[in-house]
Amino acid sequence: GAVVSQHPSWVICKSGTSVKIECRSLDFQATTMFWYRQFPKQSLMLMATSNEGSKATYEQGVEKDKFLINHASLTLSTLTVTSAHPEDSSFYICSARAKLSNQPQHFGDGTRLSIL
Amino acid sequence: GDSVTQMEGPVTLSEEAFLTINCTYTATGYPSLFWYVQYPGEGLQLLLKATKADDKGSNKGFEATYRKETTSFHLEKGSVQVSDSAVYFCALSDPGDYKLSFGAGTTVTVRA
Repeated sequence: GAVVSQHPSWVICKSGTSVKIECRSLDFQATTMFWYRQFPKQSLMLMATSNEGSKATYEQGVEKDKFLINHASLTLSTLTVTSAHPEDSSFYICSARAKLSNQPQHFGDGTRLSIL
Repeated sequence: GDSVTQMEGPVTLSEEAFLTINCTYTATGYPSLFWYVQYPGEGLQLLLKATKADDKGSNKGFEATYRKETTSFHLEKGSVQVSDSAVYFCALSDPGDYKLSFGAGTTVTVRA
């Protein structure tokens, strides 16, 4: 149980375009979802915490206008990288909190974003 | 604030060797401690956890003991396999909280 699906797993696009990444909790309701960014050979950096039906809370240094997060339902959160540039290329991972779980967060498989 | 310090890698081992990855933490209270594993191109999977002092978490031959006196949670496996090649992250969360603080990660490569 407590499966988190992330889509797409890999995306390549041109500089200047916007890219949307979806994070779904498949078998549970996720009141809270998290978005992380991971640079090569580095740890996960928390970008923002999103709660269903309210605005996301961004970590210091993360541009909220660049990284738009929407958590419109209890099973879906989206991250949109607006006007993406090569420096936005990274591995993005979402996670979700499941009530009555034995762990604080369940992770998706990540999205590899490459901006040309 | 809470933080996790993890042994730097990369670590390269031969199959059936003994693996240890050191992890120490700083926290104001009594956090829960976790080891996550990340296989190439994938997200994180919980490997094991411990929620109080002297607890031992274990899974897939890996073990880690919550040592309050040394604020440590070292990961060990007695005989590694090629399939254990991955990045390992030590993490903590405060009681009743669901936010995780991660260590830097340790890349482990096991050669046949």
